[in-house]
Amino acid sequence: SFVLTQPPSVSVVPGQTATIACGGNNIGGISVHWYKQRPGQAPVLVVYDDSDRPSGIPERFSGSKSGNTATLTISRVEAGDEADFYCQVWDSIRHQGVFGGGTKLTVL
Amino acid sequence: EVQLLDSGGGLVQPGGSVRLSCAASGFAFPDFAMSWVRQAPGKGLEWVSTMSAADDSTNYADSVKGRFTISRDNSLNTLFLQMNTLRAEDTAVYFCAKHPGNSPYYFDYWGQGTLVSVSS
Repeated sequence: SFVLTQPPSVSVVPGQTATIACGGNNIGGISVHWYKQRPGQAPVLVVYDDSDRPSGIPERFSGSKSGNTATLTISRVEAGDEADFYCQVWDSIRHQGVFGGGTKLTVL
Repeated sequence: EVQLLDSGGGLVQPGGSVRLSCAASGFAFPDFAMSWVRQAPGKGLEWVSTMSAADDSTNYADSVKGRFTISRDNSLNTLFLQMNTLRAEDTAVYFCAKHPGNSPYYFDYWGQGTLVSVSS
């Protein structure tokens, strides 16, 4: 089964770039997806299939993967980007969804 | 516009039951896999259950297997989660979520969530 590990928190100054890592055993061969969740709200998909963006998501949000680590990059960070971010994979062997523990992005 | 409206949550005693509903609109509900995801207070997201649209197969997290049942009524465009033998650790906001196709993958749309509190 997959276990996804994220840093609990990341801090960034407005205008700078934030990177959030998601490490997992054997995720190099499957797709990783990312969600943004503000307090009291439902999650929103921001990146799917490692690096694709849904319509309506700013180009400042990008995803990549190298080996068994996926990365969400947020360029030119704004105050409104402050939220929790979760990575996710689908385990097609065990037929279950798996989420990382989440990363709280703080905009200083 | 895709909309998912979660309902049915509330305060339930340990050992009790509750049924959650998710009313869907804005897409061809019968053609898409659907899931439930929960979030305990102050905690992260936890996948709970999925129902495929390809073959109506169902899958459950080990933590709820044997106690929860996912179902759908395609004539009503509604997803359900029957929750039995509830425990304090089932306290969470429950979100229904849509998948982009007839099999589970990522979650492209989410409901607003409904809170289930299990306490005496």
